[in-house]
Amino acid sequence: DTAVSQTPKYLVTQMGNDKSIKCEQNLGHDTMYWYKQDSKKFLKIMFSYNNKELIINETVPNRFSPKSPDKAHLNLHINSLELGDSAVYFCASSQEGSASTGELFFGEGSRLTVL
Amino acid sequence: DAKTTQPTSMDCAEGRAANLPCNHSTISGNEYVYWYRQIHSQGPQYIIHGLKNNETNEMASLIITEDRKSSTLILPHATLRDTAVYYCIVRAPHNFNKFYFGSGTKLNVKP
Repeated sequence: DTAVSQTPKYLVTQMGNDKSIKCEQNLGHDTMYWYKQDSKKFLKIMFSYNNKELIINETVPNRFSPKSPDKAHLNLHINSLELGDSAVYFCASSQEGSASTGELFFGEGSRLTVL
Repeated sequence: DAKTTQPTSMDCAEGRAANLPCNHSTISGNEYVYWYRQIHSQGPQYIIHGLKNNETNEMASLIITEDRKSSTLILPHATLRDTAVYYCIVRAPHNFNKFYFGSGTKLNVKP
């Protein structure tokens, strides 16, 4: 079983469209994240949710709206897509409890191309 | 942001040990050192982490200096499949502290 799975793996769309990327983890972790990796390969954190509550929001535009229906899922919805949104988006999870040392586990990424 | 310094790239011969250094001179007492790698465009993969003692697992060994200001990741017998970008990150676990990924070290394992 894949620990952190994302869908779709590839997404090609036009500017101005709205799209979603889904993420699920079966590790029983309490915290999930979205990271963005642009063409320069820098990996930047966007959001973090702990038990369905937003913990980190790294000044991401309002067009990006994460939603966590339960602690095993964190979806990313993007409105009015722009060319600069083209990137690989990675979902990750970790366990933040005091008994854990908080390693991150990543999904395989979702490559978004905006034309 | 990223509190570590790593060389941009390194080469290693296949079968030899790869020693990847990382400087983290401002590390705090409760911060761990984590190592991840990213092979091509796959998701980053956890390798190992440590606080102050040296650590070893099936993938690698982590050597942390006594003052904790630097560390070295050792891949004992590098293979071509170990070619990747290796990231060294310091982070205090819990409290939802962020993992900041810097630019990492591109390790090229050559035949």
